[in-house]
Amino acid sequence: EDQVTQSPEALRLQEGESSSLNCSYTVSGLRGLFWYRQDPGKGPEFLFTLYSAGEEKEKERLKATLTKKESFLHITAPKPEDSATYLCAALVEGSGSRLTFGEGTQLTVNP
Amino acid sequence: EPEVTQTPSHQVTQMGQEVILRCVPISNHLYFYWYRQILGQKVEFLVSFYNNEISEKSEIFDDQFSVERPDGSNFTLKIRSTKLEDSAMYFCASGRRVGTEAFFGQGTRLTVV
Repeated sequence: EDQVTQSPEALRLQEGESSSLNCSYTVSGLRGLFWYRQDPGKGPEFLFTLYSAGEEKEKERLKATLTKKESFLHITAPKPEDSATYLCAALVEGSGSRLTFGEGTQLTVNP
Repeated sequence: EPEVTQTPSHQVTQMGQEVILRCVPISNHLYFYWYRQILGQKVEFLVSFYNNEISEKSEIFDDQFSVERPDGSNFTLKIRSTKLEDSAMYFCASGRRVGTEAFFGQGTRLTVV
């Protein structure tokens, strides 16, 4: 069974304190790895797509990386407005266009 | 910036009643999806729709559920006879091509009482 696991479940940082969120996947064949941001009561907001091991994508304070077993979302010098739940999702070989989501990491950045 | 819009934002319904959740996908997108998220749980795939037919559905998407694209802009999810366990946030999403990112709407919170 395809599985996507995120850690930690929750993370508290001080403003400016850099850290990384982990997304590990056990799937039959990865076609793409997606990162989303979700604010409370809202829909997931697309951040990045990664397709192959070694690929990196950056946007403002966020950088996503991909290996053959996991993906990391690095947050550099976070601000309070980066507080949200970060979701990763896998697109798997043979699963059409279905995304398999992880449970998410709830990030809180304190001023 | 184009976005996926969903209506209503919140719907309360009696158990056994039919509900229709509505979505307007991004206009040049060809692939449409419904996902749901039960409170405190992960986002789960329900169904994908392409070229006016279901292309894939999950085990959750049983005979109580149906989808339709009644015109060139709307995409709907119907739940025929709601159960308490159908209470969740329902998200519509759309994408340009299979295998690329899906863009999600803000969701409809369905509460079955």
